[in-house]
Amino acid sequence: QVQLVQSGAEVKKPGASVKVSCKASGYSFTSYYMHWVRQAPGQGLEWMGIINPGGGSTTYAQIFQGRVTMTRDTSTSTVYMELSSLRSEDTAVYYCARRGSSIGGYYYVMDVWGPGTTVTVSS
Amino acid sequence: QSALTQPASVSGSPGQSITISCTGTSSDVGGYNYVSWYQQHPGKAPKLMIYDVSNRPSGVSNRFSGSKSGNTASLTISGLQADDEADYYCSSYTSSSTWVFGGGTKLTVL
Repeated sequence: QVQLVQSGAEVKKPGASVKVSCKASGYSFTSYYMHWVRQAPGQGLEWMGIINPGGGSTTYAQIFQGRVTMTRDTSTSTVYMELSSLRSEDTAVYYCARRGSSIGGYYYVMDVWGPGTTVTVSS
Repeated sequence: QSALTQPASVSGSPGQSITISCTGTSSDVGGYNYVSWYQQHPGKAPKLMIYDVSNRPSGVSNRFSGSKSGNTASLTISGLQADDEADYYCSSYTSSSTWVFGGGTKLTVL
């Protein structure tokens, strides 16, 4: 079955960087883009960006430009999201979510979600 | 890209119907039929409920329906059940080839 497994919780100091991983299984890794979405405590969902695991191309939300880097490792079917210059406001649960297939109308949605990775930024 | 506008909360009694609105602009909701809705229970990952404005994924109850008029999309839940109590988020593809979410709506089943 399709599954996304994310790395464990992280605690970071302000100014540091964090790298969260998302390992995919149960489908053709390079055939589906992957979104990253975050959710601060008690807040709503915030779209961060998307990566094409096939070619590595990325599109980032303007608010994260210059601070976020999304990469992939096709040998392990894993995508990564690295966020730098962390501040307390970056404390959140970070989700990876698969972009749906271009066949069947799911292309503009997030059809499968990972369980989330909690990142806490605190001095 | 500003977040789409949703009411902070809605409520209804079991068996009733409720509607949640999601207002954007001509650069997102109004410009594309790529509005989706997600349900999120506390401590859980979001779940896709509606895609491309009005389509239901396999396995989602037909009590959930979606529509759009101009820059505003809507999610209607009929025959409210206790398990429908959750947070609901709309999302839209945008003219910048990005995605944007609404601020979320907390549904309370009275």
